[in-house]
Amino acid sequence: GENVEQHPSTLSVQEGDSAVIKCTYSDSASNYFPWYKQELGKGPQLIIDIRSNVGEKKDQRIAVTLNKTAKHFSLHITETQPEDSAVYFCAASDSYSGAGSYQLTFGKGTKLSVIP
Amino acid sequence: GAVVSQHPSRVICKSGTSVKIECRSLDFQATTMFWYRQFPKQSLMLMATSNEGSKATYEQGVEKDKFLINHASLTLSTLTVTSAHPEDSSFYICSGGTEHTFGSGTRLTVV
Repeated sequence: GENVEQHPSTLSVQEGDSAVIKCTYSDSASNYFPWYKQELGKGPQLIIDIRSNVGEKKDQRIAVTLNKTAKHFSLHITETQPEDSAVYFCAASDSYSGAGSYQLTFGKGTKLSVIP
Repeated sequence: GAVVSQHPSRVICKSGTSVKIECRSLDFQATTMFWYRQFPKQSLMLMATSNEGSKATYEQGVEKDKFLINHASLTLSTLTVTSAHPEDSSFYICSGGTEHTFGSGTRLTVV
């Protein structure tokens, strides 16, 4: 089955700096890679995702890059703000079809702290 | 966007009792919903996949008789923790929809 490794487990950055979180996956058949933000006591929220036919995707201060050859993908947050502080999870799926029946394998999470 | 409503957000129960957690898809129909368990400072562990109108699929090591899942309609899936014990205390979260929209989670404490 799929295995997703995520690094670092904790990350502290100064407000305004950039943050990068990296994930690797094991199943070359994986075709969908979402990132979730989880605030304390809440469920995860999707912040950005990328499919295997795209190398990079950007949404304002957030971007995700995918290297299928190396089987890794990264989350980039620029101009970090205190409200970006949360736990971020990467995930991968080898059965994404656009419907809702695909499973996700999650990384172990990165606790991001943005220091004002 | 898709919204998944999960209730209750917190529940405290006595050992030996059962607790039901509900997840409703408010603006979409969910033929499949996923139930996760999350321990403090850890990742999400998939417990089972809930399928509307049929039996749930449980992950290895998850007791199906302890964690009863019912998905009787396209908008409601329930997880019942039966004969709860302190080791069942955890954060339970459901998700559904094309983007795996998550509910807000249920903090279960068994005393």
